[in-house]
Amino acid sequence: TQLLEQSPQFLSIQEGENLTVYCNSSSVFSSLQWYRQEPGEGPVLLVTVVTGGEVKKLKRLTFQFGDARKDSSLHITAAQPGDTGLYLCAGGGSSNTGKLIFGQGTTLQVKP
Amino acid sequence: KAGVTQTPRYLIKTRGQQVTLSCSPISGHRSVSWYQQTPGQGLQFLFEYFSETQRNKGNFPGRFSGRQFSNSRSEMNVSTLELGDSALYLCASSLGWTSVQPEQFFGPGTRLTVL
Repeated sequence: TQLLEQSPQFLSIQEGENLTVYCNSSSVFSSLQWYRQEPGEGPVLLVTVVTGGEVKKLKRLTFQFGDARKDSSLHITAAQPGDTGLYLCAGGGSSNTGKLIFGQGTTLQVKP
Repeated sequence: KAGVTQTPRYLIKTRGQQVTLSCSPISGHRSVSWYQQTPGQGLQFLFEYFSETQRNKGNFPGRFSGRQFSNSRSEMNVSTLELGDSALYLCASSLGWTSVQPEQFFGPGTRLTVL
């Protein structure tokens, strides 16, 4: 059974601080996605990483896929209150279908 | 382009009852997946339908079932409701055929409370 472990589960920081969220597994994934979910809404895709060692940047967010494709990280620089939300990593299986394995999520609160 | 819609948004049922949730995907999307989200277990995959056929299935009991219609709209049914079925049920749609993991577009979910 493929599992994804996210850490930390909760993070409360001040505006302007940096943070990193980790997503780890003992299994290899063909790809990893990061989603962000706000209260009352469904998750929204931030990025998909496919190649081992891949690094993608989205403004102040930097995503990295581990060389062995078993782990990923999300780094936010100079966090802002608008970054508050639930961050979820999700792994795709061997076939590119709608089945995703999700991590437990990281709840981020950025205080002004 | 309209997003994924789910109806109803909120439901309250009692143990033993059954419930049907509906999902309308983004126009042109042929894959619809269903997920259950709870504080304790997080997001768990229920099943995926593609072109009216179940393509993937998660580890949920047979009380959870679904179907997809020719217009790609999907319904999921839960029979003999239990207290532990209280959750946010999310529907996600995607094109269904891409060379890399497709982007899943999620609806706002249906909040089911079982009393």
